[in-house]
Amino acid sequence: SQTIHQWPATLVQPVGSPLSLECTVEGTSNPNLYWYRQAAGRGLQLLFYSVGIGQISSEVPQNLSASRPQDRQFILSSKKLLLSDSGFYLCAWRRRGDTEAFFGQGTRLTVV
Amino acid sequence: AQKITQTQPGMFVQEKEAVTLDCTYDTSDQSYGLFWYKQPSSGEMIFLIYQGSYDEQNATEGRYSLNFQKARKSANLVISASQLGDSAMYFCAMREGGRGSTLGRLYFGRGTQLTVWP
Repeated sequence: SQTIHQWPATLVQPVGSPLSLECTVEGTSNPNLYWYRQAAGRGLQLLFYSVGIGQISSEVPQNLSASRPQDRQFILSSKKLLLSDSGFYLCAWRRRGDTEAFFGQGTRLTVV
Repeated sequence: AQKITQTQPGMFVQEKEAVTLDCTYDTSDQSYGLFWYKQPSSGEMIFLIYQGSYDEQNATEGRYSLNFQKARKSANLVISASQLGDSAMYFCAMREGGRGSTLGRLYFGRGTQLTVWP
């Protein structure tokens, strides 16, 4: 069966510090991968998506970047965090040809 | 323009009653998919139900059913026989492109907080 792992679960980082959130998928190959952010009281905003290794597309301009160094690994990064980067970050995967996307447990990031 | 609109920030329902959560969408694609996800306080996103734009019958999954009205571009979620464990945030989402869509970006609404009381 397929599983998705996302870590850490919670993170408190000072303004200006770097960020690295990791997401890995098991039990499938060549998945579509997504990073979403959920601000307090808001819906999910798509940040990045990837259809293959090294292929990253950004939905909105921001202080963040993403990378896919391996087929089932998706990393969200920032060189210098802003207060506005606080939120709940969710990684998701989807097998092509399937309907639904499956989400990780999420990372609650607080920038102080 | 917002692709998914959920007009109900909060809904309350008594246990064992049915409740309808509203969702309207905006797309010019002929082929698309509509989804509902449940997000309990733990934060995880739980897939509930899917409706394809070409599906002629409304989707059902146990106590969940999707009232799909294509001409009105609405995809309301109906939860029958509500349970206390149904209390959560519910998100409507849309994927433009059909089932075989390579990319499959999901666009989410802002959610409806459902509270089930005994």
